[in-house]
Amino acid sequence: EPEVTQTPSHQVTQMGQEVILRCVPISNHLYFYWYRQILGQKVEFLVSFYNNEISEKSEIFDDQFSVERPDGSNFTLKIRSTKLEDSAMYFCASIGYTQYFGPGTRLTVL
Amino acid sequence: KQEVTQIPAALSVPEGENLVLNCSFTDSAIYNLQWFRQDPGKGLTSLLLIQSSQREQTSGRLNASLDKSSGRSTLYIAASQPGDSATYLCAVKIQGAQKLVFGQGTRLTINP
Repeated sequence: EPEVTQTPSHQVTQMGQEVILRCVPISNHLYFYWYRQILGQKVEFLVSFYNNEISEKSEIFDDQFSVERPDGSNFTLKIRSTKLEDSAMYFCASIGYTQYFGPGTRLTVL
Repeated sequence: KQEVTQIPAALSVPEGENLVLNCSFTDSAIYNLQWFRQDPGKGLTSLLLIQSSQREQTSGRLNASLDKSSGRSTLYIAASQPGDSATYLCAVKIQGAQKLVFGQGTRLTINP
């Protein structure tokens, strides 16, 4: 069965550093998403991406965040200057009949 | 603004019991509703998806119902097994939007 993959599985960074989280969505899917889940809280939508541009974003997705599809397979989320409150599990998803979620990247900001 | 609530927050039952997890949402203008399973530290696995025009969906021992007008969905698990222990998340897709709005989940423990 096709699956969404994410790298790295765990990223530890210092506050103020830039991080890039990577995702490989399912190959024939057209819509891609990032969600995050702060420990003990709900899964929250960050951004959706279609046809090489952002189609929807939440109020969380401020100027510190950006997304890119640098080639035909990868989908990345960049956080320019990480804050302590960015520590969370970040999930990538792509949509076919349903939304397929990747295993997540645990981001720890120290 | 759509809000999704799941009750109970945690549930512990002995193996073999049938059980029901509840999900409610505030805005009935939904496109579909999904139930997911999340194991500790892992991603989300889609269990069942119900379109807004449907009343229920079944997969094996799982049955999900949807009452859009009252803003409620239930996930019924028959003959529970220890391997069913996980957090179960309900999420709705709003009409005219791409995102899913999640509930906080029900943490289910099945005791052997």
